[in-house]
Amino acid sequence: EAQVTQNPRYLITVTGKKLTVTCSQNMNHEYMSWYRQDPGLGLRQIYYSMNVEVTDKGDVPEGYKVSRKEKRNFPLILESPSPNQTSLYFCASSQRGAGVGETQYFGPGTRLLVL
Amino acid sequence: AQSVTQPDIHITVSEGASLELRCNYSYGATPYLFWYVQSPGQGLQLLLKYFSGDTLVQGIKGFEAEFKRSQSSFNLRKPSVHWSDAAEYFCAVAPGGFKTIFGAGTRLFVKA
Repeated sequence: EAQVTQNPRYLITVTGKKLTVTCSQNMNHEYMSWYRQDPGLGLRQIYYSMNVEVTDKGDVPEGYKVSRKEKRNFPLILESPSPNQTSLYFCASSQRGAGVGETQYFGPGTRLLVL
Repeated sequence: AQSVTQPDIHITVSEGASLELRCNYSYGATPYLFWYVQSPGQGLQLLLKYFSGDTLVQGIKGFEAEFKRSQSSFNLRKPSVHWSDAAEYFCAVAPGGFKTIFGAGTRLFVKA
């Protein structure tokens, strides 16, 4: 089954404790992206990747890191989480990106609480 | 700056009634336009998309959307709403390149 998986689905952590949220897709997509969803703000793009070893900032990249060492995986790293990063996070993938009209496929989301 | 506006934070519709969700965008040219639906506890699923051609676009689950260039709008419609349509709906714009801009979402409640 074609899908985007994220782990963990739920995470509670404390300020400053490094964490990684994994994202994996099995569709051989070149493009992957991370979003955060906050009430009243919709989804905001954090980082995206056009292919292996190629990443770029979205609209809200501060406090986040990403890497794309393999085509299927695109982990999101919070080196020193803060309470304002409490949010619902979505990973998405598509063959070439929405900018050429392609559909993005979304993971189920990771709900993060930073105390 | 590019932006997407969904003026209605939430809408309540009776089951069987028609539905229209509004979306306006700010962008110089015609971008790629999308509507996604998010059911409770789920990720987002594409309903439909537009980038050229016929301005009335048909999607899944009986939804359609109409692109109006003069109004910079891409409103989502459904002639008869079912209880299972209760969800949050997001309009999104991809102005080119690799970024996507989402609206704040409209939560749909369906009355029995």
